[in-house]
Amino acid sequence: SQKIEQNSEALNIQEGKTATLTCNYTNYSPAYLQWYRQDPGRGPVFLLLIRENEKEKRKERLKVTFDTTLKQSLFHITASQPADSATYLCALQTGTASKLTFGTGTRLQVTL
Amino acid sequence: NAGVTQTPKFQVLKTGQSMTLQCAQDMNHEYMSWYRQDPGMGLRLIHYSVGAGITDQGEVPNGYNVSRSTTEDFPLRLLSAAPSQTSVYFCASSYSIPVADTRAQFFGPGTRLTVL
Repeated sequence: SQKIEQNSEALNIQEGKTATLTCNYTNYSPAYLQWYRQDPGRGPVFLLLIRENEKEKRKERLKVTFDTTLKQSLFHITASQPADSATYLCALQTGTASKLTFGTGTRLQVTL
Repeated sequence: NAGVTQTPKFQVLKTGQSMTLQCAQDMNHEYMSWYRQDPGMGLRLIHYSVGAGITDQGEVPNGYNVSRSTTEDFPLRLLSAAPSQTSVYFCASSYSIPVADTRAQFFGPGTRLTVL
């Protein structure tokens, strides 16, 4: 069956360090992979999209990699700040369809 | 632009009651969808629509109905509420045919539903 796995345990890191979050999937052939941020009590907010033929995408302090052989995406936040504390969700999208399938999310806590 | 709006923010129902969760967007998006979010389960797709008059089932459609009579509105109806439908419900919208590769989905603030 199709599965998207993200670390269910919270990731705690110190301010200024690089946070790395993992998204692994099985039995999917996604054309696109998206990352969202969700703060408590709010809806998810889109951060980045990467296509299957792209290895890496950057936006300010964010970097996403996509390895279709390993079936894995890594999401990096460099020079992390306490304001980056949130839950981060990965989502897969196949072909031309708009439907997204989400992972369960990883909670990131950045401490001073 | 208000983006995606949802009402109500909170709702408590008794088992067997029916209600409609409202969702509206002002971005002229063709694609709209409803998710539920439960602890440890992530966001699960209930129903979606690729345009007015067209709806389809997602991963967990049982107990829910939708219709799409306009581009802007996509209400979710609970026919006979059950405690298993206690959850946070999110509505989202996006372009069906991406414009300049804009596949991002825009989410509403959510409705927290409790069924007693």
